Amino acid sequence: DTAVSQTPKYLVTQMGNDKSIKCEQNLGHDTMYWYKQDSKKFLKIMFSYNNKELIINETVPNRFSPKSPDKAHLNLHINSLELGDSAVYFCASSPLFSSNYGYTFGSGTRLTVV
Amino acid sequence: AQSVTQPDIHITVSEGASLELRCNYSYGATPYLFWYVQSPGQGLQLLLKYFSGDTLVQGIKGFEAEFKRSQSSFNLRKPSVHWSDAAEYFCAVFTGGGNKLTFGTGTQLKVEL
Repeated sequence: DTAVSQTPKYLVTQMGNDKSIKCEQNLGHDTMYWYKQDSKKFLKIMFSYNNKELIINETVPNRFSPKSPDKAHLNLHINSLELGDSAVYFCASSPLFSSNYGYTFGSGTRLTVV
Repeated sequence: AQSVTQPDIHITVSEGASLELRCNYSYGATPYLFWYVQSPGQGLQLLLKYFSGDTLVQGIKGFEAEFKRSQSSFNLRKPSVHWSDAAEYFCAVFTGGGNKLTFGTGTQLKVEL
């Protein structure tokens, strides 16, 4: 039973399109995150939600919009896709006070914009 | 700003040899430190973590790490590497302020048979 699941696993799309990536966790965690991993494997946090409330919003183009319908789901919607958006996007979750817990990651969504 | 540095981008070891991956942190208070592993095409899996207590922590898959405050380091070790350990390894520090986990740039481990 997958703890943090992301769909789709692969996404190939044309520039200018709008796409969404879905994430669900069944761990009962309060906080969820989106990370972007670029071609050099560098991981950077994009957003963090705690119980449906946005708590971290790094410097991300406003074409990216997270949506959390409930604390078990955090979706990422991307408008007007650009070539530079090609990356692997990871969803993660943690308990609210996770300093001694760490995050549980999904398996990633590889987005390719052509 | 709080950060972690992984000085080695690539490391190659022979199967059966010992391994040490370096991680240095920059953090004013007691850091909460983690090591994650990413196998090709996979997500990140937590290997081990340190937040207090014994400075030598044991993790999964035979890995251990030692926290050294005097050197601001949290190096990952394994006494005998297996070919299946080939992967990308990330050190991370919890910086608080919204549960933010900040990652190092990663070290790619290759294992020669």
